[in-house]
Amino acid sequence: EVQLVESGGGLIQPGGSLRLSCAASGFTVSSNFMTWVRQAPGRGLDWVSVIYSGDSTYYADSVKGRFTISRDNSKNTLYLQMNSLRAEDTAVYYCAGLGGPAAYRGWGQGTLVTVSS
Amino acid sequence: QAVVTQEPSLTVSPGGTVTLTCGSSTGAVTSGHYPYWFQQKPGQAPRTLIYDTSNKHSWTPARFSGSLLGGKAALTLSGAQPEDEAEYYCFLSYSGACVFGGGTKLTVL
Repeated sequence: EVQLVESGGGLIQPGGSLRLSCAASGFTVSSNFMTWVRQAPGRGLDWVSVIYSGDSTYYADSVKGRFTISRDNSKNTLYLQMNSLRAEDTAVYYCAGLGGPAAYRGWGQGTLVTVSS
Repeated sequence: QAVVTQEPSLTVSPGGTVTLTCGSSTGAVTSGHYPYWFQQKPGQAPRTLIYDTSNKHSWTPARFSGSLLGGKAALTLSGAQPEDEAEYYCFLSYSGACVFGGGTKLTVL
């Protein structure tokens, strides 16, 4: 089955760090454009970061310098390292495919990150 | 970063036709923004409906279509069904970085 499964969310104190994982099956993460998107409770979708097949990366201004997107081709997994977390980073985080050589455009089910003391 | 604008809400009658639009603060939306449309129902993850302006995903019903219209990206629903009631998000790429629109809540009534 072709799918994305996120993990790594949880409750974290302000200023803390967390790493989200997005395990892919049925396609190769390294051959796809992959993105992280978040959704705060009751709010719309908010783009976080993207990695293209040439490993070029881009970030939303709100997370630049704090978050890092990466992938491990041997584990076929996408990651989002989140540092210096703030209350406003509280959201469900989704990974999704945006096409590219592997042409995958599905979404994961999301993982909840809560930043609170 | 750019601001992407959508109608906050629209209503369509069952069987009717409605067009949702997606504008950019930087000017006309073009195919170079690779417009996406996503559908999200309450309590569910979003799913991709349209990519690269007008291409449909394998699960996209034929009644949905994407286009460029008057300097904006557009999503047209022809023959609305009750199950099409959802939030619809536009998504544009700006030379690598990306931005979502605020979403359009579509009511089928």
